[in-house]
Amino acid sequence: GEQVEQRPPHLSVREGDSAVITCTYTDPNSYYFFWYKQEPGASLQLLMKVFSSTEINEGQGFTVLLNKKDKRLSLNLTAAHPGDSAAYFCAVSADSNNRIFFGDGTQLVVKP
Amino acid sequence: EAAVTQSPRNKVAVTGGKVTLSCNQTNNHNNMYWYRQDTGHGLRLIHYSYGAGSTEKGDIPDGYKASRPSQENFSLILELATPSQTSVYFCASGRDWGGANYAEQFFGPGTRLTVL
Repeated sequence: GEQVEQRPPHLSVREGDSAVITCTYTDPNSYYFFWYKQEPGASLQLLMKVFSSTEINEGQGFTVLLNKKDKRLSLNLTAAHPGDSAAYFCAVSADSNNRIFFGDGTQLVVKP
Repeated sequence: EAAVTQSPRNKVAVTGGKVTLSCNQTNNHNNMYWYRQDTGHGLRLIHYSYGAGSTEKGDIPDGYKASRPSQENFSLILELATPSQTSVYFCASGRDWGGANYAEQFFGPGTRLTVL
């Protein structure tokens, strides 16, 4: 089955710096990709969803890059602020059984 | 109005006892999922369902049963709870794939279970 590796597990940056989280996956047929954000004690909220035909996806304050050749998905917070402090999870799916596979998460801390 | 709700939100159980975690969704999604979240393991899929009356085993089904009596409700049952099942449990719902559907999953608030 699909294997998703997420790095780094912990990331600490200063306010205004960029923060990059990367996931690699194994199934070359994967074509749905997701980033979720989880604040402390809370549930997972969808940050962005990406379809395989789109390599660059921009949200508010972040960019998601998809490199299908290398089977790599990345989340780049361009100018992090303390409110971005949370756990971030990538998720990948190629599964017609409606399953998605999660990375183990990255705990991001943004210091003022 | 929350579309995926879970009850209870917190539960303390004794070893060997029976625990039932409940999930309700108003998204009218066919698919529902139960995950557990432990530090260092992210989310791991326990059971899932394609619709009323169906349950499927996920990646870590041992020690758990599931029940989907209706489109809206999906339960996770621990017949003989053990301390290793202490965790945070999340329920999620999702649409069937097809066309422009991205098949993302929508999560409930979680249930914190402690087995003593």
